[in-house]
Amino acid sequence: DQQVKQNSPSLSVQEGRISILNCDYTNSMFDYFLWYKKYPAEGPTFLISISSIKDKNEDGRFTVFLNKSAKHLSLHIVPSQPGDSAVYFCAARKGGSQGNLIFGKGTKLSVKP
Amino acid sequence: GAGVSQSPSNKVTEKGKDVELRCDPISGHTALYWYRQSLGQGLEFLIYFQGNSAPDKSGLPSDRFSAERTGGSVSTLTIQRTQQEDSAVYLCASSFGMGDNSPLHFGNGTRLTVT
Repeated sequence: DQQVKQNSPSLSVQEGRISILNCDYTNSMFDYFLWYKKYPAEGPTFLISISSIKDKNEDGRFTVFLNKSAKHLSLHIVPSQPGDSAVYFCAARKGGSQGNLIFGKGTKLSVKP
Repeated sequence: GAGVSQSPSNKVTEKGKDVELRCDPISGHTALYWYRQSLGQGLEFLIYFQGNSAPDKSGLPSDRFSAERTGGSVSTLTIQRTQQEDSAVYLCASSFGMGDNSPLHFGNGTRLTVT
């Protein structure tokens, strides 16, 4: 029973355009959300996070949006660059459960020059 | 090095053998986590340590899996009597604390193949 779902296994975007990666969750106890990026043969690297008290967090080209009523979050990358090509994982944490991040299965983003 | 270090990077073992995976966290990081990623799956939580103690062992798949951490630093994940379904990439991560402002820093993982 997946609590964090990334329904698109892959996404292809042209360089310079916007990439939108989506994530849905089922557990209303989640109160902190993160995005990680993973290149082949490397471990995931932290990208951006958002607390449930916010609906938007921006860091340079990366913005994460949270819609609590829909239990949905999205990562926007604009403008997309070929170096952004990687697998992106959405993760969530329950309040008071510091140790356990629940990850989605990931979305493979390909940014074409 | 400055990052989380895992060894070996690759391990091929025969079914039924025991394996030991090692993780060196970032110096000063008090929390350490083990995850695994099977083919086509997301990251599956196994266990985490705060210091040397493991408050949450709920993710360990079976009693063949165990982990320890000594001196608040290095951790080993041991899998006894390996099975083919244990084949996966085992990822270790560490964080400075346990709060929301302490993201996990991952190592490059150990790819385990059980033949």
